[in-house]
Amino acid sequence: AQSVAQPEDQVNVAEGNPLTVKCTYSVSGNPYLFWYVQYPNRGLQFLLKYITGDNLVKGSYGFEAEFNKSQTSFHLKKPSALVSDSALYFCAVRVLSNFGNEKLTFGTGTRLTIIP
Amino acid sequence: DAGITQSPRHKVTETGTPVTLRCHQTENHRYMYWYRQDPGHGLRLIHYSYGVKDTDKGEVSDGYSVSRSKTEDFLLTLESATSSQTSVYFCAISDPPGGITDTQYFGPGTRLTVL
Repeated sequence: AQSVAQPEDQVNVAEGNPLTVKCTYSVSGNPYLFWYVQYPNRGLQFLLKYITGDNLVKGSYGFEAEFNKSQTSFHLKKPSALVSDSALYFCAVRVLSNFGNEKLTFGTGTRLTIIP
Repeated sequence: DAGITQSPRHKVTETGTPVTLRCHQTENHRYMYWYRQDPGHGLRLIHYSYGVKDTDKGEVSDGYSVSRSKTEDFLLTLESATSSQTSVYFCAISDPPGGITDTQYFGPGTRLTVL
């Protein structure tokens, strides 16, 4: 079975400081990893994904994530936080099911608050 | 929200009544999904469809059924709503794995309250 852990329910960062939102995963096989962001009363928006290749993935709004196979982690990062980055962030992992269909397993989410 | 609409956006209903939520896409993606979002649980897959009339269960399918009679519409039905089904429901779409758009894109959500 596949699973995702986001160990921090809440992360507070001062505006202008670097931010990290942590994610670890457990899968059998090669993982496909995703980050999504959810603003209040909105659906999830795709930020970035790792499939293969370079371990550092760049995505929308200046975010990036680093895939670390030995630590089974996929932490989300940004060099300088903005107040507008305040939102709920979800990490997700995908493994092909028996029928070749896509199933995503989500973490429980991390609420990021950027303090002015 | 990537050409996905959900209706209704908000609904309040009573225990024991049937409820149907609709997801409509204009992207012609083959795969469609229904999730529920609850505090402390993230998003959990209820059912998904990998083609017209082809559906399968997710991890929290009890008490829910789905139907997909055409590519653009995916319906989620609660046959007899219970208070434990109070949640925010999201629809998502994607191409098959390896396709042009194999990332899942989400609709705006439906907030359902069962009294």
